[in-house]
Amino acid sequence: SQQGEEDPQALSIQEGENATMNCSYKTSINNLQWYRQNSGRGLVHLILIRSNEREKHSGRLRVTLDTSKKSSSLLITASRAADTASYFCATDANQGGKLIFGQGTELSVKP
Amino acid sequence: SQTIHQWPATLVQPVGSPLSLECTVEGTSNPNLYWYRQAAGRGLQLLFYSVGIGQISSEVPQNLSASRPQDRQFILSSKKLLLSDSGFYLCASSIRTEAFFGQGTRLTVV
Repeated sequence: SQQGEEDPQALSIQEGENATMNCSYKTSINNLQWYRQNSGRGLVHLILIRSNEREKHSGRLRVTLDTSKKSSSLLITASRAADTASYFCATDANQGGKLIFGQGTELSVKP
Repeated sequence: SQTIHQWPATLVQPVGSPLSLECTVEGTSNPNLYWYRQAAGRGLQLLFYSVGIGQISSEVPQNLSASRPQDRQFILSSKKLLLSDSGFYLCASSIRTEAFFGQGTRLTVV
């Protein structure tokens, strides 16, 4: 079953704009992670936020977590063409190591 | 950090043939290991995960099986491939937090 669901499914913006992607999940979690995937490649970890954290920053990335709404958002500021990729959230749902991914958001940043 | 070796990168197999995809991990011990499948333009479907040698949890009943004969080796198998087994297969490893992925195997069943 799917734990994480991202929206929008696809997002197209101009370089320099901010990109916001959202993720909703269903069960209680230990942490929530965001990953990036370039076309046809493996996923790369971007940032992890623990269930007792509300916001976290890493460079141009900002992640928020609202456990009461079971949702998270990933903000990429001042986007670049190189940010073009698919972005996935993943939850460690406190089920003995199970890591579940959402359907992803396909981001296109136009130069 | 961990390095995940996954091969081959691409594979074309006829319907009814067997499958064996191998994944090995460097740089850690006793990781959680995962096999995911990704259809074109879609999310990752968890197929199997393992928290230790010989311990396999299956998420989706299907034509595939997995085995973990050694701590850092995870194998995905099928006795007879179906057309619906086509997809992009990803192996991943984690130690409680972030997961590291291999580069994937694109399997086409013809």
